[in-house]
Amino acid sequence: AQSVTQLDSQVPVFEEAPVELRCNYSSSVSVYLFWYVQYPNQGLQLLLKYLSGSTLVESINGFEAEFNKSQTSFHLRKPSVHISDTAEYFCAVSDPIGGAAGNKLTFGGGTRVLVKP
Amino acid sequence: ETGVTQTPRHLVMGMTNKKSLKCEQHLGHNAMYWYKQSAKKPLELMFVYNFKEQTENNSVPSRFSPECPNSSHLFLHLHTLQPEDSALYLCASSLGTLRGEQFFGPGTRLTVL
Repeated sequence: AQSVTQLDSQVPVFEEAPVELRCNYSSSVSVYLFWYVQYPNQGLQLLLKYLSGSTLVESINGFEAEFNKSQTSFHLRKPSVHISDTAEYFCAVSDPIGGAAGNKLTFGGGTRVLVKP
Repeated sequence: ETGVTQTPRHLVMGMTNKKSLKCEQHLGHNAMYWYKQSAKKPLELMFVYNFKEQTENNSVPSRFSPECPNSSHLFLHLHTLQPEDSALYLCASSLGTLRGEQFFGPGTRLTVL
């Protein structure tokens, strides 16, 4: 079974400082990789995804993540955070379920980012 | 409404009650999922439905009973729950394995007394 490890459960950071959230996964086969964000009292929203192609993927709100196959990592970064980035961030790996339609996401434990003024 | 909706948003129930959670997706997807999100634990996949057929049951206790009457609706019927079942229950949908992306609803916050 796949596993996803997010090493940091909480990351406090000052506004306008950079932040990096670490994610490592266990699969040795081709997978899809995702970062989801969960704001307080809301469901998960897709932040960005890696499916194939360029190993550096970006979101519309300044986040980026780099797929590193040799290190089985997909770390998330933002060079300058805002107060509004306070949320919980989940890394996930996708497997097709038996090759049929539908897919299985395995999530990491989440990293709670608290941006301080 | 757009996206994935869930009702109710909050639910408090006793251990002897029977209640149902509802999820509806307006995205034309064919696969739907139930997840459980507890404090300090990773998201747990409970059930997967593809074209109304259950394709995964992740060893979920029988006091949770899913129902998928069509590709747009998903229910989770609850009966004789335990306090440890208190959690946020999230519904998601996807368009098969294409791009592997799942879209989530806002969740139902369940409290079992």
